[in-house]
Amino acid sequence: DADVTQTPRNRITKTGKRIMLECSQTKGHDRMYWYRQDPGLGLRLIYYSFDVKDINKGEISDGYSVSRQAQAKFSLSLESAIPNQTALYFCATSESPGKSEQYFGPGTRLTVT
Amino acid sequence: SQQGEEDPQALSIQEGENATMNCSYKTSINNLQWYRQNSGRGLVHLILIRSNEREKHSGRLRVTLDTSKKSSSLLITASRAADTASYFCATEAAGNKLTFGGGTRVLVKP
Repeated sequence: DADVTQTPRNRITKTGKRIMLECSQTKGHDRMYWYRQDPGLGLRLIYYSFDVKDINKGEISDGYSVSRQAQAKFSLSLESAIPNQTALYFCATSESPGKSEQYFGPGTRLTVT
Repeated sequence: SQQGEEDPQALSIQEGENATMNCSYKTSINNLQWYRQNSGRGLVHLILIRSNEREKHSGRLRVTLDTSKKSSSLLITASRAADTASYFCATEAAGNKLTFGGGTRVLVKP
């Protein structure tokens, strides 16, 4: 089984709809991250969490919110989706400050029409 | 804004040849990491080099880091068709977050 899973894998939604992307991990890592990737570009950090009670904004947090329900779960919400939020979304985890390599989920392809 | 900028943006080589890609960054870092992404899939960590290291090897991968020039290079030796992917550098600075570059698309032709 995959260590980092994301649901759904693909989603098409309409402008103005609220949508939640979910991430679960079995690696036992405290640190979790949400990124978006636009075609031909690198990843940009949306939000990150270093433990269950910690939530931090990343580079592009406007229009997004997150919830860290447990060590293993980190959800990303788009309160009112807009077309320029069409992208590939990735969740990732890392273990600790001294072990910062990140482990990625398979991604969620989101299309907002 | 992206901390790392990769060069070239795209690279096409024959199987068996070496592939070299470069990453430049702007601020002081704790470490620099390289990741691989197969088309539309999640990134996979390849190698991490710390700011006090100059060179590191892992299998057919060789990474160098020059902190005076704020640059790194990734060399893949004896490339295989399975090495076809996008490669991203990512820098970790204060705050323990990674900042990714735009990536290099590598095509290895059989």
